[in-house]
Amino acid sequence: EDKVVQSPLSLVVHEGDTVTLNCSYEVTNFRSLLWYKQEKKAPTFLFMLTSSGIEKKSGRLSSILDKKELFSILNITATQTGDSAVYLCASRSGNTPLVFGKGTRLSVIA
Amino acid sequence: DSGVTQTPKHLITATGQRVTLRCSPRSGDLSVYWYQQSLDQGLQFLIQYYNGEERAKGNILERFSAQQFPDLHSELNLSSLELGDSALYFCASSSGLLGGYTFGSGTRLTVV
Repeated sequence: EDKVVQSPLSLVVHEGDTVTLNCSYEVTNFRSLLWYKQEKKAPTFLFMLTSSGIEKKSGRLSSILDKKELFSILNITATQTGDSAVYLCASRSGNTPLVFGKGTRLSVIA
Repeated sequence: DSGVTQTPKHLITATGQRVTLRCSPRSGDLSVYWYQQSLDQGLQFLIQYYNGEERAKGNILERFSAQQFPDLHSELNLSSLELGDSALYFCASSSGLLGGYTFGSGTRLTVV
C-alpha cells in the first residue's frame, strides 16, 4: 500500500525563521509528488515535483525531490504569520489518485 | 473561489440518517475525487470518477456511494450515518489523470 509520512506533525516558529518540512514516500510506481497548503478549508496547490534534484520555487517557498532516498522537502524562508497553515504532501503512483500524508501544522508567531 | 463548488457547506444530522453531498467540478475538468478529512486521519481517498465512469475506489464504506452525472457534477451519498462519519468531505477535480487537483471548500458533516 502506498504511504506518505510527513514530519514534524507540528511546528511553532517565530516570524523571520526558516523552516523545513519533510515528506517521505513509499509508492510502487512513483509518478509525482505534490505539496498543498491548507489554511481554513480547501487545500491549495503549491508544487508538483517529478524529477530529482530540480528545485521548484515560488517566492519564499521552495521544494526539491530526491527520488533515490524517496523524500521531498518544503522550505519556507523569512516566515510570516500568513504562512501559518497545514502543509500537505501527496504522492501519485501510476495513474492512481493522490495519497496524502497527515500534514505538518505550522504556526508562525509574531 | 477555486472553481469547484460544494454544497452544502455544513450539515448536521442524526445517527442512522442519510445525506447527499454535491460537487460541481471546475469547468472543463473531467475527473472528480472525493476525500474524507478527519482530525487524526488526514485526507483519505474515497472514490474517483472520470467522465461519468467510476475510475478508482479507496477506503469507501459500503454505506457510502457516489455517482457522476452527464453534466459532470457528482454526488456522494452517505447512509446509516454513525458518529464516526463526522468529518470534512472534500471534492476535488482535475482536467486529466496526472495533474494537480483543485479542491472545493468542503462540506463539514456533523453526526449527532
